[in-house]
Amino acid sequence: TQLLEQSPQFLSIQEGENLTVYCNSSSVFSSLQWYRQEPGEGPVLLVTVVTGGEVKKLKRLTFQFGDARKDSSLHITAAQPGDTGLYLCAGVPRVAGGTSYGKLTFGQGTILTVHP
Amino acid sequence: DAGVIQSPRHEVTEMGQEVTLRCKPISGHNSLFWYRQTMMRGLELLIYFNNNVPIDDSGMPEDRFSAKMPNASFSTLKIQPSEPRDSAVYFCASSPGGWSTEAFFGQGTRLTVV
Repeated sequence: TQLLEQSPQFLSIQEGENLTVYCNSSSVFSSLQWYRQEPGEGPVLLVTVVTGGEVKKLKRLTFQFGDARKDSSLHITAAQPGDTGLYLCAGVPRVAGGTSYGKLTFGQGTILTVHP
Repeated sequence: DAGVIQSPRHEVTEMGQEVTLRCKPISGHNSLFWYRQTMMRGLELLIYFNNNVPIDDSGMPEDRFSAKMPNASFSTLKIQPSEPRDSAVYFCASSPGGWSTEAFFGQGTRLTVV
């Protein structure tokens, strides 16, 4: 079983602060995704990182995939109350000689609260 | 596109009753996933289908759980008999398949078994 560990589990910060969420595993993933989930809704994809060492930016959000493709981080600059939500990382396992069919392994999530 | 549609949004049932959750995936998507989300265990994959065929049901907790996908536009997750520990939010997600691994989630069904 390929597990993803996210940290921290909870993050409560003031508007304007920076933060980083980590997603770690002992397993190698073909790609890694970050989702954001709001109360009463399903997770929504933010980004997919595929190449080891890859960095992607989405406005104030910066995503990085580790060189060994075992870990990833999400950095938010100047957090805003609208960033509040549950952030989930999800990995697509490497499947030798086959396809994963898009099966995802999710981390436990980080609940972010940004106070005005 | 309306996205993944799940019904009902909320379900309250008594222990021992049968519960059926429904899902309509996005048209053209080849893969369909059923997840369960709780505070304690996070988001767990229960079962997934590819081209209507069950590929992996190793996440289904017990024989009380069963899932079907009779055609490309409909899937059900059934719990019979239901127990209080089944209380959770159940999500259905679909994915285009091929090289795309993005999962599109429905709004979920909040199940409460009393």
